[in-house]
Amino acid sequence: QVQLVESGGGVVQPGGSLRLSCAASGLSFSGLSVHWVRQAPGKGLEWVAVISHDGSHIFYADSVRGRFTISRDNSKNTIFLQLNSLRSEDTAMYYCARETTHWNWDHWGLGTLVTVSS
Amino acid sequence: QAVVTQEPSLTVSPGGTVTLTCGSSTGAVTSGLYPYWFQQKAGQVPRTLIYETSNRHSWAPARFSGSLLGGKAALTLSGAQPEDEADYYCMVTYPHARVFGGGTKVTVL
Repeated sequence: QVQLVESGGGVVQPGGSLRLSCAASGLSFSGLSVHWVRQAPGKGLEWVAVISHDGSHIFYADSVRGRFTISRDNSKNTIFLQLNSLRSEDTAMYYCARETTHWNWDHWGLGTLVTVSS
Repeated sequence: QAVVTQEPSLTVSPGGTVTLTCGSSTGAVTSGLYPYWFQQKAGQVPRTLIYETSNRHSWAPARFSGSLLGGKAALTLSGAQPEDEADYYCMVTYPHARVFGGGTKVTVL
């Protein structure tokens, strides 16, 4: 089955950390960029970060820069998002999405929920 | 970071036509900003509808079309169906960042 599967979400206290994973099944991340996008409960979509095919180009939204780190392990066909210094406003469903060489975001994952609460 | 603006809500009659727009605080939205449109139905994962201004994703019906209109990106739905009721988000590509608009809730009524 062709899909992206996110994992690693959960409940964490303010100031805590989590590591999210995005694993590809039936498709490859090879040669392609991957994005993380989040959606707070009842709110709109917010772009979080992108990593290029070889990890040489990485960009973040202002709201997460310095606290979140995106990385990839091409041998495992997996993308990671390290979330540090978490705040209540980081509570959201986190999605990964693959971008093809023709700018198409052709696959989205089902998401993993991060809840920051004391 | 730039701000991307969309209409908060629009209503269209079944079979009717509606156009959603997407503006940028930095100026005109051009093809060089590679505007995207995403559809999200209630309780579902977002999915890509249009990329690179006007390219329809493989799943997207032909009644959806993307264009540039008056300095904005536009999504036109021609012949609206009840199943088109959803939130629609545009996204613009800036140097070193992507920015989503706040979304437009489209009601088919």
